[in-house]
Amino acid sequence: DIQMTQSPSSLSASVGDRVTITCRASQSISSYLNWYQQKPGKAPKLLIYAASTLQGGVPSRFSGTGSGTDFTLTISSLQPEDFATYYCQQSYSFPRGFGQGTKVEIK
Amino acid sequence: QVQLQESGPGMVKPSQTLSLTCTVSGGSISSGNYYWNWIRQPAGKGLEWIGRVYTSGITRYNPSLKSQVTISVDTSKNQFSLNLTSVTAADTAVYYCAREVGWITVTRVPDYYFDYWGQGTLVTVSS
Repeated sequence: DIQMTQSPSSLSASVGDRVTITCRASQSISSYLNWYQQKPGKAPKLLIYAASTLQGGVPSRFSGTGSGTDFTLTISSLQPEDFATYYCQQSYSFPRGFGQGTKVEIK
Repeated sequence: QVQLQESGPGMVKPSQTLSLTCTVSGGSISSGNYYWNWIRQPAGKGLEWIGRVYTSGITRYNPSLKSQVTISVDTSKNQFSLNLTSVTAADTAVYYCAREVGWITVTRVPDYYFDYWGQGTLVTVSS
C-alpha cells in the first residue's frame, strides 16, 4: 500500500496568513493526488484534483503543486471559513489512501 | 445536483453484520464513468477507504477489510450497499458513501477523485 504522510498535523494561523500543507507519498504517484477540506460534522469536500486542478466553485486562494512523491496545498490568504482539516488522497493505486489530516486552527 | 444519502442502523452488536445503503438522487447511478465508494472515519481520526463498486457490479476492496466486506449495486433502485461482517468495536465510525469520478488526463491515462459525498452516518458497534 502507498502511505500518505501529511505535515504538519496541525497549525495555528491568523486570517490573512499564507498557509502551506505538505503531503508526501511513500512511492511516486505522478500527479494522482487530490486534496479535500473537512469541517466538523461534515463530509469532506473536494478542493483540488490531479495535484493542481481546482475543482469548480473552489476559491482561487487555494492552489496545489507537486508530482512524484511531494505535494503542497497552499492557501494564499486564509479566510475565516478555511479553518478546517485538510486531507490529501492518492488515486494512483488501490487501496485508495488518505493522509492523516492537517488541522488548521485559529491563532 | 447529485445527492447521496446513507441509511441503516445506527447501532450493531459485536460479531453481527453492519449493513448500509446509499441512495443516489439527481442522476442515474448507471450513467457516466462513476464508481460508488464507501469510506469511513472513526471519531477524531482520519479517513479509511473501504471499497467501491461499478454499475457492472465489479468491485475493489481495501485488503485490510476484504474478508469482511461486500459492496453491491442495485441500479433499479439507484442504490448501492455495504455489508461488513463480524464487526467489532474497531468498526465504530462515521460511514460515508461517495462518488468517484473516472476521467482521462491529457496523457490519456485514467485518473479519479471523489466529488460527491453523503452526509455520513454514525454506526456504533456495542452490545
